[in-house]
Amino acid sequence: DIQMTQSPSSVSASVGDRVTITCRASQGISSWLAWYQQKPGKAPKLLIYAASSLQSGVPSRFSGSGSGTDFTLTISSLQPEDFATYYCQQANSFPPSTFGQGTKLEIK
Amino acid sequence: EVQLVESGGGLVQPGGSLRLSCAASGFTFSSYWMSWVRQAPGKGLEWVANIKQDGSEKYYVDSVKGRFTISRDNAKNSLYLQMNSLRAEDTAVYYCARDLAVAGTAYFDYWGQGTLVTVSS
Repeated sequence: DIQMTQSPSSVSASVGDRVTITCRASQGISSWLAWYQQKPGKAPKLLIYAASSLQSGVPSRFSGSGSGTDFTLTISSLQPEDFATYYCQQANSFPPSTFGQGTKLEIK
Repeated sequence: EVQLVESGGGLVQPGGSLRLSCAASGFTFSSYWMSWVRQAPGKGLEWVANIKQDGSEKYYVDSVKGRFTISRDNAKNSLYLQMNSLRAEDTAVYYCARDLAVAGTAYFDYWGQGTLVTVSS
């Protein structure tokens, strides 16, 4: 199975900051990568799919890039509602689809 | 409005069984691949199983193969997960999730609110 490794595991930032989260696949997955946001007690929300495609209704401050094994999620200017846990997911080698361990974005 | 509503979770003893249901509305259920994804308390997300639109293809994560069965009833707009021989490590919130596209992408654009399954004696 493909392993997905996110870094950092947690990050502290302030409103207005630019934040980047990285996801690395244990083998090449082309652009078959998604990013999700999850708030406590809630279901995950799809932000980005196919590495860089913004899901409908998601603010443009979220962007994704990368291909092969290395991917990034960038939030250009943090808003209060962005503090959450973020997960990457590979969909290239399926089944199974696998998720990263998560990155918790906290308020500084 | 797309809605997915899970039910059927609860406390069950190790070795026991449970059947989860997911009621779908607001979209043409029979047109989409559907999945179950779980999250152990305080842990990350784990895809569990998925099923093709007509039920002709089903896939499972290795850890549940032979114990869990995914099924669907398109006439009832419902997805199911039959869980047998439950183990403590199956304790999690179970989400049903819709695939982003009818072609099947394994990206999930709509999720239910989740139902908690606790396996404990």
